[in-house]
Amino acid sequence: AQSVAQPEDQVNVAEGNPLTVKCTYSVSGNPYLFWYVQYPNRGLQFLLKYITGDNLVKGSYGFEAEFNKSQTSFHLKKPSALVSDSALYFCAVRPDGSGNTGKLIFGQGTTLQVKP
Amino acid sequence: SQTIHQWPATLVQPVGSPLSLECTVEGTSNPNLYWYRQAAGRGLQLLFYSVGIGQISSEVPQNLSASRPQDRQFILSSKKLLLSDSGFYLCAWSSFSRYEQYFGPGTRLTVT
Repeated sequence: AQSVAQPEDQVNVAEGNPLTVKCTYSVSGNPYLFWYVQYPNRGLQFLLKYITGDNLVKGSYGFEAEFNKSQTSFHLKKPSALVSDSALYFCAVRPDGSGNTGKLIFGQGTTLQVKP
Repeated sequence: SQTIHQWPATLVQPVGSPLSLECTVEGTSNPNLYWYRQAAGRGLQLLFYSVGIGQISSEVPQNLSASRPQDRQFILSSKKLLLSDSGFYLCAWSSFSRYEQYFGPGTRLTVT
């Protein structure tokens, strides 16, 4: 079955330190990969995507993600965390062959806590 | 630019009452539309999606239904709410030229 795993329920990091939120996937074919952020009682905001090309993609708010095909991973990173980055982060994958539906498979989410 | 609206923002309904949540998208044509439910501030469950007017696909059997009466309008309904229908309902859209989905602000539904 196709799936996305975010192995950490919560990640704690001090402000100013680098952060990594992990994501691995299991899908057939060449996937399209995405990261979203959700603040309390708000909708999900799109951060970045990998479709093809460079394995390191840059997105909103200084976030970037590295696609690793051999490890089937797409980890979210930021060089210097801010307290305002504290939120719930979702990794998602659009499986190759999803046709015109545009359906995404989401991970269970990782809570990022950045402490001053 | 494109905008997605959902209303109401919050709703408290008794068990057994009907439900109607509305989602509209502005600034794009023929979008794919999606309804998700998020329980306990965690994972997303895809409920329905639509690739065109009147075309609805259900992902899980449940007490809910969806309709798409216009190109950019998506409605989530129930005839009789259950306690288990409580949650945060999110609408999203995507297009053929964009791979990502864009989400609305959500509706917090509490069934009492």
